[in-house]
Order: sequence, then C-alpha cells, then structure tokens
Amino acid sequence: KNQVEQSPQSLIILEGKNCTLQCNYTVSPFSNLRWYKQDTGRGPVSLTIMTFSENTKSNGRYTATLDADTKQSSLHITASQLSDSASYICVVDGNNDMRFGAGTRLTVKP
Amino acid sequence: DTEVTQTPKHLVMGMTNKKSLKCEQHMGHRAMYWYKQKAKKPPELMFVYSYEKLSINESVPSRFSPECPNSSLLNLHLHALQPEDSALYLCASSQGGTGGSYEQYFGPGTRLTVT
Repeated sequence: KNQVEQSPQSLIILEGKNCTLQCNYTVSPFSNLRWYKQDTGRGPVSLTIMTFSENTKSNGRYTATLDADTKQSSLHITASQLSDSASYICVVDGNNDMRFGAGTRLTVKP
Repeated sequence: DTEVTQTPKHLVMGMTNKKSLKCEQHMGHRAMYWYKQKAKKPPELMFVYSYEKLSINESVPSRFSPECPNSSLLNLHLHALQPEDSALYLCASSQGGTGGSYEQYFGPGTRLTVT
C-alpha cells in the first residue's frame, strides 16, 4: 500500500531554534518527493522537490534530505522564525499517484 | 506571474443549489488540479487535467463536475452537495503532469460551506 507517514504530528519550538521533520514513505514506483509549507487557510507553497538521484536540497533556511534506499526524507529548518509556524506536508509522487502525508504542525513561539 | 487565482474566496450554498468554483492561471501550465482539504487534514486529490483533458478522477462523486474550457481555466461545478462536502477547495497548476518533477503552484482556495 502506498503510504506517506510524517512525524511528529505537531511540534512547538522557540524562535531561533532548529528543528527537523521526518517523512517515511512506501510509495512505489517513486518519481519525486516534495515538501510544502501551508499556512492556515491558505494554499500550500512548494519548498523543495527532489528526485531519486538527489539526496539534499536547500531553499533558504529549509534543507530537505532524501534517502531513497530507506525511503526516508527529512526537512530541517534552521534558525526558526515566527513566520515558520505552519503545517509542513510531505508529498511523494509515484507516476500519476501523488500521496500526501498528514503533515506536521509546527508552532514557533517567541 | 506565478499566481493561481481562485474565485470566490468563500461560498455558502444550500444542498439544492448549483454553483461553480473558478480557477485561473497564466503561466502557460498544461496541467491543472482540484484538491479538497478538510480541516487539519492534508489536501486530497480530486481531478487532474493534462492538456485540457481529464487524466485523473479519484473516484469523486458525480455531484462534483470538473470542466477545463481552455488551458488557463479550470472550473468545478457543484450540484446537490452534502454538508460533509464543506471544505477548502484548492486549485493547482504545473508545467507538466504528475510523474515529472514539475513544481505545483497552488491557489489560495475557496472555502465552501454547504448548509
């Protein structure tokens, strides 16, 4: 069964701290893995897209990693800001079969 | 212009009403998507149009009827909805369809309430 599981479900950190979000998947075949940021009531915004051959990709303070052998990905946020408070969704695209994780709800507190 | 626009922003409709949601993009993208998102849940894919043809229908009830009049426009026609259909409806577009590493651009969504 093609699944995408994210952890933790929710996370609270202090402003300025780093954090790492996890995504494990069983989707096969695999085309690419995406991380999105979604503010409440808004559409998701793409952070990174990684294919099979890529194992790390950065977008500003966001760095995603991918281990296609173990089917794991992580999103690392450096020096968090209040505006990082959002849901972070991992999506695995398996050729006409996009699977969404349930997301991690991140709250950054001052 | 990397914007996907959706109208209306909010919609309240009764179970016997007929309404339509509209989505527009002018990025020359050839794939467009409809998603449904319930509160605190990830988006669920409903339909995918690729080159103006319906390529994916995720077993969506017939009370939801998509239409792609041209490559820039995507509509979702609603008829005889149920209260459980209340959700945020998101439109997205990408240069190509699923299976390729094309970035998806999402619109802000239409908040639909069925009474």
